[in-house]
Amino acid sequence: NAGVMQNPRHLVRRRGQEARLRCSPMKGHSHVYWYRQLPEEGLKFMVYLQKENIIDESGMPKERFSAEFPKEGPSILRIQQVVRGDSAAYFCASSPQRQGNYGYTFGSGTRLTVV
Amino acid sequence: AQKITQTQPGMFVQEKEAVTLDCTYDTSDPSYGLFWYKQPSSGEMIFLIYQGSYDQQNATEGRYSLNFQKARKSANLVISASQLGDSAMYFCAMRGANTGTASKLTFGTGTRLQVTL
Repeated sequence: NAGVMQNPRHLVRRRGQEARLRCSPMKGHSHVYWYRQLPEEGLKFMVYLQKENIIDESGMPKERFSAEFPKEGPSILRIQQVVRGDSAAYFCASSPQRQGNYGYTFGSGTRLTVV
Repeated sequence: AQKITQTQPGMFVQEKEAVTLDCTYDTSDPSYGLFWYKQPSSGEMIFLIYQGSYDQQNATEGRYSLNFQKARKSANLVISASQLGDSAMYFCAMRGANTGTASKLTFGTGTRLQVTL
């Protein structure tokens, strides 16, 4: 009974490269959420997706960041032309329904370091 | 807008003692949910406890209990009989019920708890 799977756990990118972060939700969960945690801070909401739909992207930076959750396969958070300020932990969570009272299960995160 | 405030950046507690981690919140949503998460040094986010705004009783989960005082807008986490393994960052979070707030958690800045011998 796998939980939310994120990979890679650690990712190092040079400035200007692209970063692709993957998230496979728990079995039976069709709602995915991405959060970003800067050092010594709490998590900040980025985007909420269902299969093939972006529901709420109010926390996504306007440029360089995009997210998708295709019909088949994991959800992908893509950061183009990374900069040092993108260095953070990126967490994915999933829930079986939109308002997850108990259902916000988080993955272990991807630590992105931009050098 | 929703806001979570955790005013204790760091706390110390002796093993086997109880500790209270403070959390106050602000929201205009009539219905909301409050969460506590634990983040150990390994980095994962571990769900601890949930309290609904209309729940009649304070939530409890093993050694964790949530002291919910709606009028004061506070949702403090109480950990009883602290263990060394409780040393971690603890985050309070909330979710609203309206279109703009139901799909996301708003987190506080966290409290780092250190359990000592």
